[in-house]
Amino acid sequence: EVQLVESGGGLVQPGGSLRLSCAASGFTFSNYAMTWVRQAPGKGLEWVSLISGGGSSPYYSDSVKGRFTISRDNSRNTLYLQVNSLRVEDTAVYYCAKARNYYYGSGFDYWGQGVLLTVSS
Amino acid sequence: QSALTQPASVSGSPGQSITISCTGTSSDVGAYNYVSWYQQHPGKAPQLMIYDVTDRPSGVSNRFSASKSGNTASLTISGLQAEDEADYYCSSYTSSSTYVFGTGTKVTVL
Repeated sequence: EVQLVESGGGLVQPGGSLRLSCAASGFTFSNYAMTWVRQAPGKGLEWVSLISGGGSSPYYSDSVKGRFTISRDNSRNTLYLQVNSLRVEDTAVYYCAKARNYYYGSGFDYWGQGVLLTVSS
Repeated sequence: QSALTQPASVSGSPGQSITISCTGTSSDVGAYNYVSWYQQHPGKAPQLMIYDVTDRPSGVSNRFSASKSGNTASLTISGLQAEDEADYYCSSYTSSSTYVFGTGTKVTVL
C-alpha cells in the first residue's frame, strides 16, 4: 500500500525558514517524480514544485522560485521542501504527492494527508 | 502562470449528469494531453480521478469521464450520487515545465 506521510510543519515568523519532509513507502520511490502542492485556508490547490525520480531535475512555481528548494533522498525514501524567506501568503496545508511518471507530465496518483505551515508574527 | 478557469459551482439532482469545464491556454491545456482531474472532500487530501485527459485510475467509478477540445477540458459525472458532492480541480502540465491547477468547482447534489 502506498503511503506518504508529511511532517515538519508549524508556526514560523515572516522571513523564517523550515524544512518539510515526506516519508514514502509502498512503491519504488526512485522510479517516480514527486511533487509538493499547497492549499491556503479556504482556497484552491496551488502547485509548488516537482522533482524527477533521480533528483536531477527540479521545477518550481514562480511564486516560490528562489525561496523554496525541493530535494529527495532516495536511500531514505524521503522527499523534502526547504522553505526560506517565508511570507504570510505561504501559509497553507502542504501536500506531497507521487507523480505517475519518472519525470513530469501526467497526474499525481497518491497524496499525503498534508502538513500545516503557518507564517505569522 | 494564471490558474485555469472553472465554474465556481455546479449542481444536479441524484441520477443526473453534470459537466465541469476547465479553460486554459495554448501553453497548458491546449499544448499537451496532460490534463488531470482531482476530487477533494472537505478536510481530505485530493484524489486523482482522471489523468492524461481521459484515463481513469483503477478504482475510480466509470461514472467519471473526461475530454478535451482545444484549450478547454471537461469532466462529466454521470448518475450523480450524494458521495460525489465535493470540490473538483483540473490541472495541466505547461510549456514552462510547471503545472497549473484550476480555480476549483464545488459540486452540490440537490
